[in-house]
Amino acid sequence: GIQVEQSPPDLILQEGANSTLRCNFSDSVNNLQWFHQNPWGQLINLFYIPSGTKQNGRLSATTVATERYSLLYISSSQTTDSGVYFCAVDNTNAGKSTFGDGTTLTVKP
Amino acid sequence: GAVVSQHPSWVICKSGTSVKIECRSLDFQATTMFWYRQFPKQSLMLMATSNEGSKATYEQGVEKDKFLINHASLTLSTLTVTSAHPEDSSFYICSARDGLAYEQYFGPGTRLTVT
Repeated sequence: GIQVEQSPPDLILQEGANSTLRCNFSDSVNNLQWFHQNPWGQLINLFYIPSGTKQNGRLSATTVATERYSLLYISSSQTTDSGVYFCAVDNTNAGKSTFGDGTTLTVKP
Repeated sequence: GAVVSQHPSWVICKSGTSVKIECRSLDFQATTMFWYRQFPKQSLMLMATSNEGSKATYEQGVEKDKFLINHASLTLSTLTVTSAHPEDSSFYICSARDGLAYEQYFGPGTRLTVT
C-alpha cells in the first residue's frame, strides 16, 4: 500500500514563530487532507488539497502531486495551534485514507 | 456544515460485555463511513469501510466477528465491540464522506476502557 511519511515528528516553537510541516507519499493520490487533532482527540479538517495551493488565515498548504509531497505552513503560531497534525492520503477509488504518523507541535507562550 | 457526531464520547465496560458506538452525519448524507482506531501517541488505523445498505469491508487483521459494523441509513453507522477485552481499550473514531466527495469529516471519537 501507499506509504506516508511526515516530518518532523516533533516540533517546539515559541509563540509567534512560523513553521513548515512536510508530508511525503509514495504513489500518486486522488485525495490529500491535512488535519489538526486537538488535545481532546477531535480531528479538525484544515485542508483538502490533492494539488495546488490553498490558504486559510494563518495556515496555508501546497501539494506538488508530481513530486509526491505536501507542505503545511503555519505562520505567527499561537498556543492554540498545539496538537498533532496529520496528513492523510487516498490513492484508491474507495475513499480509504492512509494516515501519516503525524507531527506533534508544541507552541510555548 | 459537515458535522459528524459520535455517541458515547467515553465508555467503561467490563470484560466480556458488548459495547455499541454510534456515528451520525448531522447535516449531510453519508453513503460511506469509516471506522478508525487510535492507540495513545499513535496514528489512526483504518478498521473498516461502511457502506449504506451493504456489508462492511474490513481491513486485513481486523476481526469482523468482534467488531460488528452496521450502516442502516444514510446518516447512521454503528460499531459494536463484542465480548470486549482489555486489549480492545482504545480511541475509536468514525468519519463520513459527503456523497461522492473525497473529503472526509471526523467525529469527536469514543474512548473505550475495558476493565
